Amino acid sequence: KQEVTQIPAALSVPEGENLVLNCSFTDSAIYNLQWFRQDPGKGLTSLLLIQSSQREQTSGRLNASLDKSSGRSTLYIAASQPGDSATYLCAVPRGGATNKLIFGTGTLLAVQP
Amino acid sequence: GAGVSQSPSNKVTEKGKDVELRCDPISGHTALYWYRQSLGQGLEFLIYFQGNSAPDKSGLPSDRFSAERTGGSVSTLTIQRTQQEDSAVYLCASSLAGIQETQYFGPGTRLLVL
Repeated sequence: KQEVTQIPAALSVPEGENLVLNCSFTDSAIYNLQWFRQDPGKGLTSLLLIQSSQREQTSGRLNASLDKSSGRSTLYIAASQPGDSATYLCAVPRGGATNKLIFGTGTLLAVQP
Repeated sequence: GAGVSQSPSNKVTEKGKDVELRCDPISGHTALYWYRQSLGQGLEFLIYFQGNSAPDKSGLPSDRFSAERTGGSVSTLTIQRTQQEDSAVYLCASSLAGIQETQYFGPGTRLLVL
């Protein structure tokens, strides 16, 4: 059974710092991995989707990496800003060729001005 | 264009009552998903609709939960005889067909069962 965990559970950094969020999964046979952002009281916003054949995806100040063999992904945020404060969730498909997602436990990020 | 919308945004009900939650997906999206987000369980998959295929109900926690999708568009999630443990945020998402397609989430319905 696929399990997805995220470390740390919470993180507070001063504005301008670079930071890394971690995601690990137990079954490496995944088709892709996605990173989402959730603002308080809101739904989820997709940030990056890495396909299993890729090792990295970049969007602006965000860079996500994927190492299937070790069951790990990282989300790197450069030059953090207070507007980056949110909960970050990673997710993988729930077994086989499906888009039903299993979500990680989330990292609550606070960027202090 | 409009995103995924859900109604109501908040719902308070008494234990034992039935509730209906509505999801309007993005126009043209053939795939629709329901998830539940609760403090104890995190974000869990509930049910998945794809086109005219039979829905995948493998994530529904009990037979008190059911969902319909009429005309391949709007979906309704129904919880019968609500229990306090049903209190959660119910999120709907839609996407184009295909495993690599991004899911777009609605703002959710916050359900509180007293």
